[in-house]
Amino acid sequence: SQTIHQWPATLVQPVGSPLSLECTVEGTSNPNLYWYRQAAGRGLQLLFYSVGIGQISSEVPQNLSASRPQDRQFILSSKKLLLSDSGFYLCAWSTPGGRETQYFGPGTRLLVL
Amino acid sequence: GDSVTQMEGPVTLSEEAFLTINCTYTATGYPSLFWYVQYPGEGLQLLLKATKADDKGSNKGFEATYRKETTSFHLEKGSVQVSDSAVYFCALDAGNMLTFGGGTRLMVKP
Repeated sequence: SQTIHQWPATLVQPVGSPLSLECTVEGTSNPNLYWYRQAAGRGLQLLFYSVGIGQISSEVPQNLSASRPQDRQFILSSKKLLLSDSGFYLCAWSTPGGRETQYFGPGTRLLVL
Repeated sequence: GDSVTQMEGPVTLSEEAFLTINCTYTATGYPSLFWYVQYPGEGLQLLLKATKADDKGSNKGFEATYRKETTSFHLEKGSVQVSDSAVYFCALDAGNMLTFGGGTRLMVKP
């Protein structure tokens, strides 16, 4: 069966520090991968998606970047965190192609102070 | 572009009350529709889905019917429990992307 992992579960970082959140998927090959952010009191915002290794698409301009160094690994990064980067970050995967259900990881709660 | 609109919360109900959370959408073509649930401190879980008009998705006592004529996918449950307290997200799938509504927080009191 397929599983999706995210870590860390919780992170407190000072403003200006770097960030690296990791997401890995097991039990499937060539998944589509997604990063979402859920800010307090707001809905989900798609940040990045990837259909293959090294292929990253960004949905909104921001302080964050994403990379996919391996087929089932998706990393969310920042060189310098902003206060506004605080939120709940969710990774998700789906099978290739359209109209497929997305499966979400447990999420990482980031607090930037 | 595609969009999903949900009723604003929080929705507060007593146990065993009837639940409706409204969801309407705007999309080109024929999207699939979903309801996701987020329990406190957890990630999202798929609750139910419908892939074409007039389909009814159901799970854990929740139901939603894909209404193309009214572009709606309202979530209903006949008798809510305290354990149903969570945030519920309506979403549509156009191609590879999910577009989410803003979420509706449900609070069920004993």
